[in-house]
Amino acid sequence: EVQLLESGGDLVQPGGSLRLSCAASGFAFTSYAMSWVRQAPGKGLEWVSAISGSGNSPYYANSVKGRFTISRDNSKNTVYLQMNSLRAEDTAVYYCAKDRVRIDCWGQGTLVTVSS
Amino acid sequence: QSALTQPASVSESPGQSITISCTGTSSDVGTYNLVSWYQQHPGKVPKLMISEVSNRPSGVPDRFSGSKSGNTASLTISGLQAEDEADYYCSSYTTSSTVIFGGGTKLTVL
Repeated sequence: EVQLLESGGDLVQPGGSLRLSCAASGFAFTSYAMSWVRQAPGKGLEWVSAISGSGNSPYYANSVKGRFTISRDNSKNTVYLQMNSLRAEDTAVYYCAKDRVRIDCWGQGTLVTVSS
Repeated sequence: QSALTQPASVSESPGQSITISCTGTSSDVGTYNLVSWYQQHPGKVPKLMISEVSNRPSGVPDRFSGSKSGNTASLTISGLQAEDEADYYCSSYTTSSTVIFGGGTKLTVL
């Protein structure tokens, strides 16, 4: 069974940092790009970032470029999202997702709240 | 980059058909056949309903179908059922190697 388990969500002050993790199981991890998609409370889905299966190619939405860094450890079947210079508008549930354009598996999400 | 354009809400009666549009640009929908559609019930995780414009993953009812013309993709649901009431999102690959979502459409089955 394909599973994605996110962790790391928390309450953080504006300007602060947070690192999200996503542990994957049940599929050939290195064969797939991995993505992060977020959803602000009561709002729609927003693609945030993705990384190729090898980890050599990261991609970012303009809204997070320069502040967020995606990475993966293929020896641990885990993908990360390092979030710096957090803003109130980054408040959302962050979903880890398998693949980039054809997301057939989503994690349950982890809540990030940016507030003073 | 602005989100793909979807109607905010649509409604129809059970048993009828409905089409949700998703309009992008030549930098996304118009260039690639990499449009996906997701269904999200309140409080739930999104579910893939259509990929690559018109491919239906295993387990998705054949009442769901997708198409594309120019810069606009469409999701059609025939024989509407109460369980189809949900939010629907389109997404597309872009020329910047990123992905963009639509703003979402709330489907109400009257």
